[in-house]
Amino acid sequence: AQSVTQLGSHVSVSEGALVLLRCNYSSSVPPYLFWYVQYPNQGLQLLLKYTTGATLVKGINGFEAEFKKSETSFHLTKPSAHMSDAAEYFCAVRTPISSGSARQLTFGSGTQLTVLP
Amino acid sequence: DTEVTQTPKHLVMGMTNKKSLKCEQHMGHRAMYWYKQKAKKPPELMFVYSYEKLSINESVPSRFSPECPNSSLLNLHLHALQPEDSALYLCASSQDGTGDYGDTQYFGPGTRLTVL
Repeated sequence: AQSVTQLGSHVSVSEGALVLLRCNYSSSVPPYLFWYVQYPNQGLQLLLKYTTGATLVKGINGFEAEFKKSETSFHLTKPSAHMSDAAEYFCAVRTPISSGSARQLTFGSGTQLTVLP
Repeated sequence: DTEVTQTPKHLVMGMTNKKSLKCEQHMGHRAMYWYKQKAKKPPELMFVYSYEKLSINESVPSRFSPECPNSSLLNLHLHALQPEDSALYLCASSQDGTGDYGDTQYFGPGTRLTVL
């Protein structure tokens, strides 16, 4: 079975500071990993994904994430936070084995990012 | 273009009403999804259609009835809902629903449903 843990349901940073949102996964085989962002009253927007290849993945809006197999982590970072980054962030995992529901996305519980002026 | 559209944006209905949610994509995707999202929670998968056939039903109550008329359209028919069904309903689409590395899901903006 696959699972995702997002450490910290709320994270606050000052504008211009480093953003670090933590995601750890559990999977019996190398997973596919995703970060989605959700602004208030909107749907989910794909920030970035890791499937194969380079472990450092760059996404939209200056975000990036690094797949670390040894640490079973896929933390999301951004060097300098902007006010517009305030949103809910979801990490998700999909394990490319089995069938049916087991091959679908499993979401973490989400992290609400607040950016302070 | 990675756009998934959903209508209506907001819907208020009584427990005896019948209503439908609509989702559309023109990315050539062959898999479409319905999710339910309660406030401050992650999305919960309800249904998956792959090549216009229902492939996954996550034990959703029969008061929710999905329909996929063609590869671009997905409907969710609602009947005799309960107040606890109030939520944001999200539609998504992906290449083919196989879950392989290229099968990334793209989400629509959602329909905010309130059941009175």
